[in-house]
Amino acid sequence: ILNVEQSPQSLHVQEGDSTNFTCSFPSSNFYALHWYRWETAKSPEALFVMTLNGDEKKKGRISATLNTKEGYSYLYIKGSQPEDSATYLCAFSDGNKLVFGAGTILRVKS
Amino acid sequence: DAGVTQSPTHLIKTRGQQVTLRCSPKSGHDTVSWYQQALGQGPQFIFQYYEEEERQRGNFPDRFSGHQFPNYSSELNVNALLLGDSALYLCASSLRRLDYNEQFFGPGTRLTVL
Repeated sequence: ILNVEQSPQSLHVQEGDSTNFTCSFPSSNFYALHWYRWETAKSPEALFVMTLNGDEKKKGRISATLNTKEGYSYLYIKGSQPEDSATYLCAFSDGNKLVFGAGTILRVKS
Repeated sequence: DAGVTQSPTHLIKTRGQQVTLRCSPKSGHDTVSWYQQALGQGPQFIFQYYEEEERQRGNFPDRFSGHQFPNYSSELNVNALLLGDSALYLCASSLRRLDYNEQFFGPGTRLTVL
């Protein structure tokens, strides 16, 4: 059974703080690792698809790294803003289905 | 370009009833996957449809069934509803020939079973 773990479960930060989350996944049979941002009452929005060990991807103030050998990925947000408040999901892909973690809930206070 | 759409938005049913949820994929996509998100958990894979056939299935009972139509839209059917089926049901679409299985999600259907 594939198990994807995310930590922390929730995070409350002040506007301007930088923060990071962790996603742990099985290191065997790796195909891809996905990060999604999910605001309440909206559709999950794809942030990154990561495939190669050592991958680093960046979109604005958000970046992510990937270590497939040890089975973890980090998501970083630099200078958090209130609009970054959302649930951040990671998902391990076996090429067909996605196996999701439970998510990290981020709340940014202004 | 319309994204993934789902209907209805909310649904209330009673135990033992049957329900049908609908999904229209993003334009140009040919594969539809369904996920169930229970409270406090991440979305869990139910099944995936491609070329009108179920291609892969998660750990869900036969009460959960689906269909894909020639226009790539899809339905999720749940029979003999249980209280534990109360959840958010997400549909995701993708293009099979593309690498890395990037999936685009709809906003979900919230099912409440009383």
